[in-house]
Formats: sequence, C-alpha cells, structure tokens
Amino acid sequence: EVQLVQSGAEVKKPGESLKISCQGSGYRFTSYWIGWVRQMPGKGLEWMGIIYPGDSDTRYSPSFQGQVTMSADKSISTAYLQWSSLKPSDTAMYYCARLQQPKSLKGKWFDPWGQGTLVTVSS
Amino acid sequence: DIQMTQSPSSLSASVGDRVTLTCRASQSITSYLNWFQQKPGKAPKLLIFAASSLQSGVPSRFSGSGSGTDFTLTISSLQPEDFATYYCQQTYSTPWTFGQGTKVEIK
Repeated sequence: EVQLVQSGAEVKKPGESLKISCQGSGYRFTSYWIGWVRQMPGKGLEWMGIIYPGDSDTRYSPSFQGQVTMSADKSISTAYLQWSSLKPSDTAMYYCARLQQPKSLKGKWFDPWGQGTLVTVSS
Repeated sequence: DIQMTQSPSSLSASVGDRVTLTCRASQSITSYLNWFQQKPGKAPKLLIFAASSLQSGVPSRFSGSGSGTDFTLTISSLQPEDFATYYCQQTYSTPWTFGQGTKVEIK
C-alpha cells in the first residue's frame, strides 16, 4: 500500500525554526515528486511547491519562495518542509502528497496524501 | 497565475439529489483539472483526475467533465457520506492553483 506518513503536531513560538517530515512507503520514493499544500484555519488549499527526492530538484510557488525550504533524504524515504523563523501567520495544517504524472495521459495529480501536520505558532 | 473559480460556494441538498459543482479557469488548462473531496479534520481525497477519469475506489456516482476553461463535478445521487467540501485544482501551469471550494451541506 502506498502511504505517506507525516510527523506530529507542533507548537512553536514566533522566530523559532521548524522542520516537519513526510515519509513515503510502498513505492519507489525516488521516482515520484512530493508536493506540499498549506491549509490555514478555516480556509482553502494552497499549493506550496514540489520536490523530486531522486535529485532534490525543487519548484516553489512564488508565494512561498524564500519563506520555506523543501528537502529530502532518499536514504530514509522522507521529505521535509522547514522554516528558519516562524511567524504567527504560518499557523496552518500542512499536507504532503505524491504527484502522479503518467506519460500516457495528459494530467498531473496528487495522490495519496499524508494525514497532515498541524503547526501552531503563538507567543 | 491561473485563477480557479468554483460555484456555488456552498449548497444544501438532500440525500438522493443530483448535484453539479462547477469550476472555471481564468485561461485554458486543457484537461489538467482534478477534483478533491475534503471532510472536516481529514486530508483531501482525490476523486477525479485529468478532468474526467475516476480515481480507483471512488464510487461511480461521481463523474467529471469539461475541458478548456469550464469543468463540472457531478454526484448522481447524493449519499450521506458525500457531505463535504470539494476543491478543483489545475496542474496545467505553475503555480498550481485550487478553487476556493464548494461546501455541500445537508438540507
């Protein structure tokens, strides 16, 4: 079974750093892009970017470029999302998801998704 | 950026109703359109990919159609477990954008 398991909820203070994780299993981790999606409290979904664990190639949404860093450790099939200095506005649920983009079909889609990591930033 | 606009923002419907949700892109995205269902406190779940392909395991009462700029998600006979928020997403060009969601509530 293909599965993405994310790290647990975090409570941090403004200015602190944080790294959350997303571990894949049941498939070749290095062969699929992993995406990150933010959902602020009571709001919709926002695409943050994607990373290819095979070579750590990354593509960021302009809205998140410079605000977060995506990385991956292929030896443990884990992708990461990190902040160097958190702000209260970073309070949100963060999801990782595997990107599917078969050559036989015009399309790209995220499936499956991790269960989400809730990040709360408050003084 | 490509803007995705869903309508309506919310709707009330009864079990057994046929429900149609709409998603419009600000420019052509061909068939690079996906639909997700999200229930409170849960991760989004893929329903439809590439505009009209039903994800494995998703009930056949869900269907998607459209191409270019106008897309629809139809639930042929609404079931109690279908009350949720539905999002469309384009993956035609980055940044990949989501619609604001349509919340389907019980009448």
